[in-house]
Amino acid sequence: GEDVEQSLFLSVREGDSSVINCTYTDSSSTYLYWYKQEPGAGLQLLTYIFSNMDMKQDQRLTVLLNKKDKHLSLRIADTQTGDSAIYFCAESSSVKAAGNKLTFGGGTRVLVKP
Amino acid sequence: EAQVTQNPRYLITVTGKKLTVTCSQNMNHEYMSWYRQDPGLGLRQIYYSMNVEVTDKGDVPEGYKVSRKEKRNFPLILESPSPNQTSLYFCASSLSAYRQGPYYGYTFGSGTRLTVV
Repeated sequence: GEDVEQSLFLSVREGDSSVINCTYTDSSSTYLYWYKQEPGAGLQLLTYIFSNMDMKQDQRLTVLLNKKDKHLSLRIADTQTGDSAIYFCAESSSVKAAGNKLTFGGGTRVLVKP
Repeated sequence: EAQVTQNPRYLITVTGKKLTVTCSQNMNHEYMSWYRQDPGLGLRQIYYSMNVEVTDKGDVPEGYKVSRKEKRNFPLILESPSPNQTSLYFCASSLSAYRQGPYYGYTFGSGTRLTVV
């Protein structure tokens, strides 16, 4: 079945870049997403990438996709204290029997130190 | 405001006492889903619904039931809760049951933190 893996924790200094990594197993993944969860809140879509793209940039966020290695990363430039949160990688596939199902990784907790 | 509303936000209950977590969306979304979030395991799908009266098991359905009698509502029922169901639960909805991509992405509720003692 599908599997999405992430490292559990990342600590970064304010102003530095953060890089969060994710690997997935489903070769039929169509879209890959990054969600952000702030304390006590639901999940908010940060950005996404279509599977035929290598890179997508959106202001401070850069998503890199290596489809051959099934590796996704999210780079946050000039990390701010407001970026402290849990970040989830997720994938969707057009061939899933469960329709529009998202499969999530375990989440990476990012702590930004001043 | 377009939203998914879950109630209650917090719930402490005892083992074996039936409970229902309600979920309602006001966007006429076709697809609805329940997830549970546990540390290090991320979000795992419990049940989903492709449309009214169409529901199916997700990855971790044991101990849960759902119903979809109306398009807007998708309650999660725990007939006999046990401590291993202590978790953070999220309801989500999507415009399409099949189409994907950010336009058909999920809207999440704010979550229900359930503790079973």
